[in-house]
Amino acid sequence: AQSVTQLGSHVSVSEGALVLLRCNYSSSVPPYLFWYVQYPNQGLQLLLKYTSAATLVKGINGFEAEFKKSETSFHLTKPSAHMSDAAEYFCAVSDRGSQGNLIFGKGTKLSVKP
Amino acid sequence: DTGVSQNPRHKITKRGQNVTFRCDPISEHNRLYWYRQTLGQGPEFLTYFQNEAQLEKSRLLSDRFSAERPKGSFSTLEIQRTEQGDSAMYLCASSPGLAGVEAQYFGPGTRLLVL
Repeated sequence: AQSVTQLGSHVSVSEGALVLLRCNYSSSVPPYLFWYVQYPNQGLQLLLKYTSAATLVKGINGFEAEFKKSETSFHLTKPSAHMSDAAEYFCAVSDRGSQGNLIFGKGTKLSVKP
Repeated sequence: DTGVSQNPRHKITKRGQNVTFRCDPISEHNRLYWYRQTLGQGPEFLTYFQNEAQLEKSRLLSDRFSAERPKGSFSTLEIQRTEQGDSAMYLCASSPGLAGVEAQYFGPGTRLLVL
């Protein structure tokens, strides 16, 4: 069965610092992987997706993620944090054999200090 | 493209009452998904439609839950005899349904509180 583990339920960085949010997946076949962001009292917004093309995926708002098969990881990074990045971030996996329903991690809440 | 919309945004009900939520997907999106999100957790898959056909249901979807998408456009999720454990955010998402696994686009959610 597919699963996603997000290490760290809460990450705090200073404005301008590197953002690194960790995601490890478990899948019996090469997965599709996604990162979503959720602002308070809102739905989820797609940041980026990996679908087996380039292993380094660029998304919106300056975020990117690198697929590493050997480490079963898909960590999300941003070189320089902005106050507006404060939100909750979810990693999700979708098995290629499924109808596309997503399996989400528990989320990582990102705080950005001035 | 006006995005996925959900109504109502908030619902407070008493235990035992029935509630119904509506989701309007992005125009021409063939796939529609329902998820449930409880506090401190990621969304959990409930059910999935391809056009009007309900193709997959999670075991989380007890017999008190029913979802429909009668004309392949909007969808409704009904919870009968609500319980306090049903309190959660109910999220709807849609995707084009053209091929394979696609990114899903989420609505703002309906937050349910069962007293």
